[in-house]
Amino acid sequence: EVQLVESGGDLVPRGGSLRLSCVVSGFTFRIYSMHWVRQAPGKGLEWVSKISANSHAFYTDSVKGRFTISRDNAKNSLYLQMNSLRDEDTAVYYCASQTAFCSGGTCVGADWGQGTLVTVSS
Amino acid sequence: QSALTQPRSVSGSPGQSVTISCTGTSSDVGGYDYVSWFQQNPGEAPKLMIYDVTKRPSGVPDRLSGSKSGNTASLTISGLQAEDEADYYCCSYAGSHTYVFGTGTTVTVL
Repeated sequence: EVQLVESGGDLVPRGGSLRLSCVVSGFTFRIYSMHWVRQAPGKGLEWVSKISANSHAFYTDSVKGRFTISRDNAKNSLYLQMNSLRDEDTAVYYCASQTAFCSGGTCVGADWGQGTLVTVSS
Repeated sequence: QSALTQPRSVSGSPGQSVTISCTGTSSDVGGYDYVSWFQQNPGEAPKLMIYDVTKRPSGVPDRLSGSKSGNTASLTISGLQAEDEADYYCCSYAGSHTYVFGTGTTVTVL
C-alpha cells in the first residue's frame, strides 16, 4: 500500500523558516518525481514545486528564491525548506507522488499525503 | 502561472448530468493533452479522477468523463449520485515541468 506522511507544519512568524518532510512507503521512491501542493484555508489547490528522480527542481514563481525542494532517496523522504515566509504561505501543504497514472509527468500525483498545516503569523 | 478558470459551483438532481468547465490558455490547457481532474472531500486529500484529458484510473466510475476543446477542458458527471458531492479541481501541465490548478468547483447534489 502506498503511503505518504507529511510532517513539520507549525506556527511560524512572518519572515521565519520551516522545513517540511514527507516520508513515503509502498513504492520505489527513487525513480519517481515528487511534488508539493498547497491549499490556503478555504481556498483552492496551488502547485508549489516538483523534484525529478535525478533531483532537478522546479517552482511556481511566488516561491522561487525562498523555497527549496530536496529528496533523500536512502530515507524515502521528500523535503521542502521554506524561508522568508509570508502571510500568503499559510496553507496545508500536501506531498504527491508522480506514480502510476502520473508517471509520465502528465499529472501531478496519483497518490497524496494527508497534508501538514503551516501558519505564518504576524 | 494564473489559475485556470472554473465555475464556482454547479448543481444537479440525482440521476442528472453536470459539466464543469476549466478554461486556460494556449500555454497550458490548449497546449498539451495533459489535463487532470481531482475530487476533494472536506478535510481530505485530493483524489485523482481523470488524467490525460480523458483517461480514468482504475476504480473511478465511468460516469465521470473528460474532454477538451481548444483552451477549455470539461468534466462531465453523468447519473449524478450523492457520493459525487465534493469539490473538483482541474490541473494542467504548463510546460517546463510546471503545473497549474483550476480555481475549483463545488458540486451539489440537490
